[in-house]
Amino acid sequence: GAVVSQHPSRVICKSGTSVKIECRSLDFQATTMFWYRQFPKKSLMLMATSNEGSKATYEQGVEKDKFLINHASLTLSTLTVTSAHPEDSSFYICSARENSGNTIYFGEGSWLTVV
Amino acid sequence: SQQGEEDPQALSIQEGENATMNCSYKTSINNLQWYRQNSGRGLVHLILIRSNEREKHSGRLRVTLDTSKKSSSLLITASRAADTASYFCATMDTGRRALTFGSGTRLQVQP
Repeated sequence: GAVVSQHPSRVICKSGTSVKIECRSLDFQATTMFWYRQFPKKSLMLMATSNEGSKATYEQGVEKDKFLINHASLTLSTLTVTSAHPEDSSFYICSARENSGNTIYFGEGSWLTVV
Repeated sequence: SQQGEEDPQALSIQEGENATMNCSYKTSINNLQWYRQNSGRGLVHLILIRSNEREKHSGRLRVTLDTSKKSSSLLITASRAADTASYFCATMDTGRRALTFGSGTRLQVQP
């Protein structure tokens, strides 16, 4: 079946540094990918919709300069958390919409800890 | 923004019992989906019900959808300890292309 790979699964970074999370569709093409954030014991909150070859669409309240999204190919979207702070520590999950069938597949998520 | 609410927020039952979780949403939808999430892990897709369907079954899962009340329920029959997880409903709005998730129900099945 279709697989979405997220990397890294866990990352620890120092405050003030930037960290990049990758989301890859392994056996299908995805013009559209989505980035979610999840706090412990909470639900998934949509951060932004990533569109291949164009700018991402951010949800209200999400800082686009803080969370940089790049979707340079039909199989890869990246989320870069810039100038990370401890409050950015969270679980980030991506999903990808399969071009051929519209089905959405989720990655396994990435734990970010900012110290 | 959060689409809807789920209740209960937490549910603890014994193995063999049935578990029912409810989800309410606010806008017009194309479909509603249920996902499962083990602690700290990704999402597992359980079942999708379209807006023109009222009930759907998959193994021990039964999902209902009432678009007039903007609500859905997920029933897990004959629960097992391995069913312990968080369960989320998610809607695909008619005007959007992203899934919007409910607040989730944490299910604990005691062996």
